[in-house]
Amino acid sequence: ETGVTQSPTHLIKTRGQQVTLRCSSQSGHNTVSWYQQALGQGPQFIFQYYREEENGRGNFPPRFSGLQFPNYSSELNVNALELDDSALYLCASSLETRLNPDTQYFGPGTRLTVL
Amino acid sequence: EDKVVQSPLSLVVHEGDTVTLNCSYEVTNFRSLLWYKQEKKAPTFLFMLTSSGIEKKSGRLSSILDKKELFSILNITATQTGDSAVYLCAATGNQFYFGTGTSLTVIP
Repeated sequence: ETGVTQSPTHLIKTRGQQVTLRCSSQSGHNTVSWYQQALGQGPQFIFQYYREEENGRGNFPPRFSGLQFPNYSSELNVNALELDDSALYLCASSLETRLNPDTQYFGPGTRLTVL
Repeated sequence: EDKVVQSPLSLVVHEGDTVTLNCSYEVTNFRSLLWYKQEKKAPTFLFMLTSSGIEKKSGRLSSILDKKELFSILNITATQTGDSAVYLCAATGNQFYFGTGTSLTVIP
């Protein structure tokens, strides 16, 4: 158990709808990253938030957006859902320090199915 | 283009065998190489490597990084059925780049 939680566990939506996924970071962590993992693929980086500011973004369109709150929990919003958005969405929290800047701890993920 | 390539894509071995998983990377502003084990959903952290030639070890698992040749290996000795999982390699630079993973199946 990493202490990172995500909700909901599973979600079914239809094309064109909007979805919000939630992530609670491990206690003390100030950075959250979101990933999309399609079946049989490795996680693809969507974006990262550090102290409530976006701190890097992967190759995803603007309809993927996010927020980080003062308690460092985070949301991923996806608008105008497409069939290809069906995937496991993972969030990972970390504490940005010079010593271990890249040690991320993953949550259990949200399985999104778009019909 | 930044990328991480893992090989083999899948592997089936018998309990007690030793396996070597490979990860090569080309990442701008490379910072570290990480290995994760993914069984059902959340990848669990195994190792982070930042220096060449220094082996990291945890029980039957070990890993090493070669920053000159841009690759890393993950070794698992005396494999057990509980080692069956997808093993993911990630390289960090401007962001995290994951490979597609190696699916390991250990047969009793």
